[in-house]
Amino acid sequence: NAGVTQTPKFRVLKTGQSMTLLCAQDMNHEYMYWYRQDPGMGLRLIHYSVGEGTTAKGEVPDGYNVSRLKKQNFLLGLESAAPSQTSVYFCASSLRRTSRSGVLSNEQFFGPGTRLTVL
Amino acid sequence: TQLLEQSPQFLSIQEGENLTVYCNSSSVFSSLQWYRQEPGEGPVLLVTVVTGGEVKKLKRLTFQFGDARKDSSLHITAAQPGDTGLYLCAGALTGGFKTIFGAGTRLFVKA
Repeated sequence: NAGVTQTPKFRVLKTGQSMTLLCAQDMNHEYMYWYRQDPGMGLRLIHYSVGEGTTAKGEVPDGYNVSRLKKQNFLLGLESAAPSQTSVYFCASSLRRTSRSGVLSNEQFFGPGTRLTVL
Repeated sequence: TQLLEQSPQFLSIQEGENLTVYCNSSSVFSSLQWYRQEPGEGPVLLVTVVTGGEVKKLKRLTFQFGDARKDSSLHITAAQPGDTGLYLCAGALTGGFKTIFGAGTRLFVKA
C-alpha cells in the first residue's frame, strides 16, 4: 500500500515551459487535492476534485489546470510556467467520512511533494 | 477571505519543557485537524476534533477544540527532540471537503 505518490520529486523549468505533475493514490479515496506550500504562507489549495471526472477551483487556481480521468489519479498542469509558480506542490487525498454526530471530516493523506523551480 | 492564524510562528525550547500552540479563526469549522510535517516530506495527520469543547490526547500531546468550533490548541508536555517539526492546523469548512490551513508553527526542541 503506497498511499499517495507524486512524480517527479524535483523539477527545474524555464519561464514559459509547460509540465504536468502526476499524483496517484491507492486508497480508493473520492476526494483529491493539489496544494502549494510557500514559506510563511502555509498550504494553499489550487484545485480539488470530489470524484472521477469532476474538478473545481481552490484558492489560487490561476495558471494551473487539472484533470481527473481516473479515480486514483489527479494531474496538475502548468501550461506556461512563471517564476511565481516556484514552490513545493503537494497532492492529497481524503475519504468522505461522517462522524457519529453527522459531521463530515476531511482527514487528508499527503504525498511527499514536488519541488518546482521556475527560472 | 477565511483565515486560520497560528501562533507562535516559531518556537525553540529545551527538552523537557512544555509548550502550547494556538490556532484561531473567525470562521466556524465542521472539524479541525492537526498535522505534523518534517523537512522534505508531506504533512502527516495527528488528530481530528469535531465537537466543540472536545479534548483528545495522543501520548504527550493534548488537543482541544474551542466551544464555538473557531479555535484550537495543541499542548505538548515534556517536549522531546523527536517532536521537532512544523505543526499545521487545518479547518474543514461547511460541506467537509474544503480545508484551510494555518501557516504553521515551527518547533525546535533542543537536547
